Amino acid sequence: EPEVTQTPSHQVTQMGQEVILRCVPISNHLYFYWYRQILGQKVEFLVSFYNNEISEKSEIFDDQFSVERPDGSNFTLKIRSTKLEDSAMYFCASRRGTSGGTLDFGPGTRLTVT
Amino acid sequence: AQSVSQHNHHVILSEAASLELGCNYSYGGTVNLFWYVQYPGQHLQLLLKYFSGDPLVKGIKGFEAEFIKSKFSFNLRKPSVQWSDTAEYFCAVNDGPGGNKLVFGAGTILRVKS
Repeated sequence: EPEVTQTPSHQVTQMGQEVILRCVPISNHLYFYWYRQILGQKVEFLVSFYNNEISEKSEIFDDQFSVERPDGSNFTLKIRSTKLEDSAMYFCASRRGTSGGTLDFGPGTRLTVT
Repeated sequence: AQSVSQHNHHVILSEAASLELGCNYSYGGTVNLFWYVQYPGQHLQLLLKYFSGDPLVKGIKGFEAEFIKSKFSFNLRKPSVQWSDTAEYFCAVNDGPGGNKLVFGAGTILRVKS
């Protein structure tokens, strides 16, 4: 069964550094998402992406964040200048295209900013 | 904006006990409702979902949930839990057929004692 994959599984970076989190969504899916979960808190929506552009973003997704689908398979989240409060588990998700359909989640990347 | 409340953050049960996890959402329009589970060290997996029709939905591993529109609730149940059900459970709602993203509750950590 196809799955969403994410790399790396764990990323440690220093405050102020740029990080790129990578995701490979399920191949016939059309909608892509990033969510994050700060330790002990709820899973929060960051951004959705469809047809090569952002379709919706949350207040968290400020100018420090960007997303890209550089080729036909990868979907990346870039944080330009990381802050301590960016430490979290970042989940990528995708869905085929049925409105309101189920999201398939990746295993997550644990980002630790020191 | 839609919000989701999960009433218990930590639940501890003995094997064979019955389980009910509460979930309420705030917006009363057409909604799609989901329960996801995250086993230790694994990614979010769909347990069950409600889009329309029979308000009692059955999912994997013996779980079921009941949609009660008048109470804005979608509680998760299992008649007899097993040690392997130890996990974190998330209720989520999508804002109707055209809704683009899921909004998650804070999660309930279930520990089943063997």
